[in-house]
Parts: sequence; C-alpha cells; structure tokens
Amino acid sequence: NAGVTQTPKFRILKIGQSMTLQCAQDMNHNYMYWYRQDPGMGLKLIYYSVGAGITDKGEVPNGYNVSRSTTEDFPLRLELAAPSQTSVYFCASSYTRTGGSYGYTFGSGTRLTVV
Amino acid sequence: DQQVKQNSPSLSVQEGRISILNCDYTNSMFDYFLWYKKYPAEGPTFLISISSIKDKNEDGRFTVFLNKSAKHLSLHIVPSQPGDSAVYFCAATGGGSSNTGKLIFGQGTTLQVKP
Repeated sequence: NAGVTQTPKFRILKIGQSMTLQCAQDMNHNYMYWYRQDPGMGLKLIYYSVGAGITDKGEVPNGYNVSRSTTEDFPLRLELAAPSQTSVYFCASSYTRTGGSYGYTFGSGTRLTVV
Repeated sequence: DQQVKQNSPSLSVQEGRISILNCDYTNSMFDYFLWYKKYPAEGPTFLISISSIKDKNEDGRFTVFLNKSAKHLSLHIVPSQPGDSAVYFCAATGGGSSNTGKLIFGQGTTLQVKP
C-alpha cells in the first residue's frame, strides 16, 4: 500500500548508543518531516526537507541529524542517545507545502526508549 | 515560543451534540491551517484544512472556522459520535522566508464522546 513506512516500530537504546530511524514514502512527495511526540504533548518538528538534497532544522533539532539523498527516503540519525530522546517519532510527507486536499501523510511511528 | 496553542487539554461531550475544539496562533505569516485526528499507537490522520483566504471550510460533519483578526480557528463536529473520541491537533504552515515548509502543531485536545 502507498504511504509512509517507518522502521523500526519499537527500539530500546542504551545511553550513548546511536541509531537511525528509517522513513520511506512511495508517493513522490517533495516535502518530508520528522516529529517527536512526548507523553501528553503535541508534535514537535525536528527536521524537515523540501526536496532531495535540501534539509533544514525544525523546533528541536539538537541531538539529531538527517539526510535526503533521494526523494523517497528521509532517515533520522540519533548520535549519543540520551534519556531525553525517549519519545515517539513520526515521519510525514506531502506533495506540496500545504498538503492540498490530502494534508500530510504520517507514518505509524517509532517508539524509542533510551535507558 | 509556542506558535500554535490548544489551550483545552480535554473535552467531553454527549453523543449527538456538537464538539467545538479551539486553536490559537501567534504567527501572522501562517496562511494554511490543518486539523488532524490521532488514535493511540497510530500516526495522525488528516481531517480538514483551510486556507487563510477563507473563513470557513466544511466536509461532512466537520467544519473549520478561521478568524484571522483574532488569530483563532475552531473545529466543529456535528453530530459527535463515539468513534470521534481521539486526540485532535491543529497545525499551521506559512509563507515567508523564515517559515517555508514548516508545519507547526499545537499540543492537542483529547475529545471524549460519551454514548
């Protein structure tokens, strides 16, 4: 099915470890986003991309890195994991800045725990 | 600096009645607004959107109203159904060089519709 695919769904990391959260979309969308949602809170923008080769920081970029080498993939890298990065991470994509009639399509999320 | 605010963490309504969810924003450059619905352990799903050139958009039971002078938007659900019970997020995106491509979310409002 077309959409946004996030892997893994769950992960437990030890403090100081690194990992990459994968995000892939097959809708040929230009815009892609990474958000985190902490318990009882809204979604905070980590990084976003308006096209292959172009990325920019969001509201909470510290401790994360991204790359966008292809239109389809937008991986999020965590270096030196910290307990404060325990959260649910969502990837989203859109064909246009506004999302048009379909809004932004979200993946099902990656639940990350840092211990 | 919370640019998009949902000041009511929760709302409880009776089935069949109207649900009104509110959202305020501070950035006058926002020109497009979206509402999302989120169930536990799932990604947000798009509900309805509105451009800043309009003051109302309707889609079935869902209507979004925009008051630009007050920097306020609201989502009306009529009639409310138990299946509408979820967390509702408003989000905004804006033009201008400082905000292009960013989609900023509010904290969310948990709606409970009682049978």
